[in-house]
Amino acid sequence: QQQVKQSPQSLIVQKGGISIINCAYENTAFDYFPWYQQFPGKGPALLIAIRPDVSEKKEGRFTISFNKSAKQFSLHIMDSQPGDSATYFCAALGAGSARQLTFGSGTQLTVLP
Amino acid sequence: EAQVTQNPRYLITVTGKKLTVTCSQNMNHEYMSWYRQDPGLGLRQIYYSMNVEVTDKGDVPEGYKVSRKEKRNFPLILESPSPNQTSLYFCASSLLGGMNTEAFFGQGTRLTVV
Repeated sequence: QQQVKQSPQSLIVQKGGISIINCAYENTAFDYFPWYQQFPGKGPALLIAIRPDVSEKKEGRFTISFNKSAKQFSLHIMDSQPGDSATYFCAALGAGSARQLTFGSGTQLTVLP
Repeated sequence: EAQVTQNPRYLITVTGKKLTVTCSQNMNHEYMSWYRQDPGLGLRQIYYSMNVEVTDKGDVPEGYKVSRKEKRNFPLILESPSPNQTSLYFCASSLLGGMNTEAFFGQGTRLTVV
């Protein structure tokens, strides 16, 4: 049972466009929602994260929008660049003592030059 | 440099031949975990450890073992590998408490079981 559902599976965007990746979760006990970026041959690396007490967080061209009532959150990449081409994973962290990260299935983003 | 180091990076083995993938971190993190990454399934947690001698099953623990004898090391053991364990494996570490819960990942180990 997948607790964090991510879409789309792949995304192709022109340079300068906006990339949007969506995630939905089921477990209301999650209390931290990070996005990880993975380049080929590398491990995932934290890109940006949000806690459920805020509705939006922006870092440079990257913005997380969070809708607690709908149990959804999304990543927006403004002015997308070819260097943003990577796989993006949303995740959710459990509030319990185990602090387990549950990942979405990933989105392969390709930004065309 | 803060890092998580996995070895080997690539491994091809035969069914049933025991293998160990090592993982070491230099950030004094309490929490360490192993994930496998498969197309369309994202990263799924295999095992995790909250401190030395404290380990527990993640979502897909069948066929794997782990140990945590030292804080910095968290090896993944496949006692009798099978082809369905062919995957890309990642070790990760993080602080356990507080607001900073960033997980740091190793470079990955691509395992092929034939």
